[in-house]
Amino acid sequence: QVQLQESGPGLVKPSETLSLTCTVSGGSISSYYWSWIRQPAGKGLEWIGRIYTSGSTNYNPSLKSRVTMSVDTSKNQFSLKLSSVTAADTAVYYCARVTGYSGSLDYWGQGTLVTVSS
Amino acid sequence: QSVLTQPPSASGTPGQRVTISCSGSSSNIGSNTVNWYQQLPGTAPKLLIYSNNQRPSGVPDRFSGSKSGTSASLAISGLQSEDEADYYCAAWDDSLNGHVVFGGGTKLTVL
Repeated sequence: QVQLQESGPGLVKPSETLSLTCTVSGGSISSYYWSWIRQPAGKGLEWIGRIYTSGSTNYNPSLKSRVTMSVDTSKNQFSLKLSSVTAADTAVYYCARVTGYSGSLDYWGQGTLVTVSS
Repeated sequence: QSVLTQPPSASGTPGQRVTISCSGSSSNIGSNTVNWYQQLPGTAPKLLIYSNNQRPSGVPDRFSGSKSGTSASLAISGLQSEDEADYYCAAWDDSLNGHVVFGGGTKLTVL
């Protein structure tokens, strides 16, 4: 059974860079797209982007200038960096696996709350 | 303002059939498949329907999906109390180098 686990600081200061890592267990990270999604408290889901194990990426146009994703196949991990954060970036951040032609997200991490505050 | 439009709320009584709509455009639903997610309170979303109308293993056949043109629907028959959750539609959007768009979510209440 594939499992995903997000990790990283729960508190980030305004204007700094948010950094999260997703560790994949129970399966290989290779040959899949992997995504980040976030959800502000009480609000809906927002797709941040996806990365293939080759390093190819697609980002949300509204976040593209601030987002960088990377993958480390040797560690079965992929990562998210979001720069110049503000309070509006406070949210639960999820990582998920992308599968099939439909691009559906079939395995999700439990999510990690990141608060942007000084 | 979400790219895909869903009603903010829906409700039904146990045993009823409810439907949740998801409206998009030619660049997303009109040219790509739709996926649906269920999010129970305090938990991560779960894939409910993929490729418009396919159920992952373990999802009851009470849940079904359909798509026509630039709109999609999720139907839940034989409504149960444990179906009370938020439901989100999503699709790939071909504009701006491609990206995923979500609906704003529909909160389903079982009365």
